Amino acid sequence: ETGVTQTPRHLVMGMTNKKSLKCEQHLGHNAMYWYKQSAKKPLELMFVYNFKEQTENNSVPSRFSPECPNSSHLFLHLHTLQPEDSALYLCASSPEERDSQFFGPGTRLTVL
Amino acid sequence: AQKITQTQPGMFVQEKEAVTLDCTYDTSDPSYGLFWYKQPSSGEMIFLIYQGSYDQQNATEGRYSLNFQKARKSANLVISASQLGDSAMYFCAMRGISWDSGGSNYKLTFGKGTLLTVNP
Repeated sequence: ETGVTQTPRHLVMGMTNKKSLKCEQHLGHNAMYWYKQSAKKPLELMFVYNFKEQTENNSVPSRFSPECPNSSHLFLHLHTLQPEDSALYLCASSPEERDSQFFGPGTRLTVL
Repeated sequence: AQKITQTQPGMFVQEKEAVTLDCTYDTSDPSYGLFWYKQPSSGEMIFLIYQGSYDQQNATEGRYSLNFQKARKSANLVISASQLGDSAMYFCAMRGISWDSGGSNYKLTFGKGTLLTVNP
């Protein structure tokens, strides 16, 4: 069983909705990540948090807003998304930023 | 800038045979790490194997081995004795280091992946 969990597993939302993705890791890791995986494109790093501090924002539009209240939880708040934002959103964690990352099962997001 | 290239969009292998998935990379970092991940249809990314750029020996993990050829900048994954459960997308990734006024930053760059199908 994976030590990184993500909820919900599937989400359908309209362009005017506000929703949040949740990631939780039970591995005692200090670094957490959000990735976007679109069809036929490489995995794209969105945000990196290390010890609850954001260390990377990979030019992500402001309609995606991350939150890391503690080292075990990571949220991705979504608002006024576009249909092209439909993708699989993966959360990952690692002991430190330089270490191997362990991924959650992902949230399949569809924006109508 | 770092770049990972996986030239095989799809591969087929017979059960119990070995298969090699290709990965080449490009980086100017003197030190870096190379990873392979497996992504089944369920979506989660599963870490398989890691090779450090200064490791003297090729990494092995069970049926997985990494054929690391530094001069050629290649890090191919070899799966021996393929099983039906090995059918999945396989991603090669590289961890590099970038430096700015804030210190060092580690970044994982992924290739586009190879879809492996194991036939019975």
